[in-house]
Amino acid sequence: AQRVTQPEKLLSVFKGAPVELKCNYSYSGSPELFWYVQYSRQRLQLLLRHISRESIKGFTADLNKGETSFHLKKPFAQEEDSAMYYCALKDYSSASKIIFGSGTRLSIRP
Amino acid sequence: DAGITQSPRHKVTETGTPVTLRCHQTENHRYMYWYRQDPGHGLRLIHYSYGVKDTDKGEVSDGYSVSRSKTEDFLLTLESATSSQTSVYFCAISEAGNYGYTFGSGTRLTVV
Repeated sequence: AQRVTQPEKLLSVFKGAPVELKCNYSYSGSPELFWYVQYSRQRLQLLLRHISRESIKGFTADLNKGETSFHLKKPFAQEEDSAMYYCALKDYSSASKIIFGSGTRLSIRP
Repeated sequence: DAGITQSPRHKVTETGTPVTLRCHQTENHRYMYWYRQDPGHGLRLIHYSYGVKDTDKGEVSDGYSVSRSKTEDFLLTLESATSSQTSVYFCAISEAGNYGYTFGSGTRLTVV
């Protein structure tokens, strides 16, 4: 079965420090992966998709098929990055569903 | 404007009462979804729709039903609310999964 694992419930780093939010997935084929972000009192929004290989707000994520990982990285954290982050995987069974991980709360300390 | 609205934004209801949450979209997207968000569980799919009158169950569908009589509206009904259904409910829409979802602002439901 397809699954997404985010091992860290909470990650706290100082402003200016590098950030890495871990995400591992289980899927035997070619995955389509996403990162979503939810800022305080806002709706969830798509941060980036691996197929577009984009960098949004300084964040990047590289797919590592050998390690089945899709970690989210940013070289220098900013206070406005504090939010809840969800890694997600397209479910190929039907209806374009997306499977979400349990989320990591990122807290940036000044 | 994200083209998707949820109502109500907040609701407090008593155990045993039926509750209906509404999701309305103006994007004409084919797919609509209802998730619940709980600490430690992330987002879990309740029900989804792949067209008018075409719906199916997600991983946590017990105690919930849905209806989609028009492309733009997707209703979630808690048939007899229980305290375990206290949660934040999110609706999402998608044209095709590889483009990701657009989410509504959520409905915070408290069952007392």
